[in-house]
Amino acid sequence: DTGVSQDPRHKITKRGQNVTFRCDPISEHNRLYWYRQTLGQGPEFLTYFQNEAQLEKSRLLSDRFSAERPKGSFSTLEIQRTEQGDSAMYLCASSSRAGASYGYTFGSGTRLTVV
Amino acid sequence: AQTVTQSQPEMSVQEAETVTLSCTYDTSENNYYLFWYKQPPSRQMILVIRQEAYKQQNATENRFSVNFQKAAKSFSLKISDSQLGDTAMYFCAHSGAGSYQLTFGKGTKLSVIP
Repeated sequence: DTGVSQDPRHKITKRGQNVTFRCDPISEHNRLYWYRQTLGQGPEFLTYFQNEAQLEKSRLLSDRFSAERPKGSFSTLEIQRTEQGDSAMYLCASSSRAGASYGYTFGSGTRLTVV
Repeated sequence: AQTVTQSQPEMSVQEAETVTLSCTYDTSENNYYLFWYKQPPSRQMILVIRQEAYKQQNATENRFSVNFQKAAKSFSLKISDSQLGDTAMYFCAHSGAGSYQLTFGKGTKLSVIP
């Protein structure tokens, strides 16, 4: 097991284009989280999955954002009609226990730059 | 809503010395958890130490220890015998019991100087 994997590591896109990121959690973890980290800020919660069910979404997740975890394994985060304000590091994390109180295992993130 | 404040954007410490990073938080919950995460340059964020609010004893993990002052809502991280590999961003975070979310501070950039 190599931990939480995210692909791609870096993505540069033109404003208005759609982008999709992938996260592969630790195989025995059934809980998966997406966070966004902008420059000079700590990570901010976007959404949470338990198995394939999306149980919680932040209001930061506008209607241009969609996340899926179709088979309860890997997850994708899609941003449609990207804007410059979407430029950030997108972090994925997973855990095997309910709640954040036990801590997460984070991936290395996908850095998105919208030009 | 919970908030986490880290008032030191950057700090530096000489190798082998001790450094303390500050964190204050605000929460209306009685049962919660506090964390320090480390994010090395271009590497993934890892959990350094975890504190359960209902435990009065301060958590310790090898060279890392916390000073948890519940009444003051303060949660500082002490790094002893600093090593070059401790150079990283350090984030303080809060989670309510049973919550799925972590609320992070803005981070403190720590540089260990040889």
